[in-house]
Amino acid sequence: EIVLTQSPATLSLSPGERATLSCRASETFSSNYLAWYQQKPAQAPRLLIYSTSNRATGIPDRFSGSGSGTDFTLTISRLEPEDFAVYFCQHYSPSPPTWTFGQGTKVEIK
Amino acid sequence: QVQLQESGPRLVKPSESLSLTCTVSGNSMTSGYYWVWIRQPPGRGLEWIGTVYHTGSAYYNPSLKTRLTESVDPSKKKFSLKLNSVTAADTAVYFCARFTMGGQIGHYYFDLWGQGTLVTVSS
Repeated sequence: EIVLTQSPATLSLSPGERATLSCRASETFSSNYLAWYQQKPAQAPRLLIYSTSNRATGIPDRFSGSGSGTDFTLTISRLEPEDFAVYFCQHYSPSPPTWTFGQGTKVEIK
Repeated sequence: QVQLQESGPRLVKPSESLSLTCTVSGNSMTSGYYWVWIRQPPGRGLEWIGTVYHTGSAYYNPSLKTRLTESVDPSKKKFSLKLNSVTAADTAVYFCARFTMGGQIGHYYFDLWGQGTLVTVSS
């Protein structure tokens, strides 16, 4: 079972700053199987990035994803007030089908 | 527009069973999607519970497998979970979600979520 470790646990930044979130996997896997989600309080998660680097429909271009192998990154180029939230990375393994999530990174206002 | 909605008891007694249903509105439960349950204990992260395919094939988190049963009824556009012998550790917001599978392009992601329902295990 692949374990995803996100860092840092909390990121304290100001609006306009750049946010860099890390997701490290315990094993190498295809970049098609890595996605990122944003979750705000009392809401369901929302898809941001799929297949490591593809923005979901309606997601602003200040959000970008990159990485390969075991190291993946979500970058928010310039934080907007609505971007302060918790971010999760997620892995899918097809054989057998299993899903795992990182523990999340909270991006909070400094 | 496809939507998911969880329903079921919000309070369950310890040692009893937790049962939830997710209703899919706006579209049929066709191939190309997995139908998934995910939970989130208060203030914590997301945990995959289990998954069903429209054919009835089911896949469970190994840590919950002995207590879990999932089913699907495509004709009624519903899928369900039953978690037995619950404890306070099962208190969480339970989400149902749709997982899109690959197709020709090879992309995999949760593209649709229910709003979530808080289930509390307490006597």
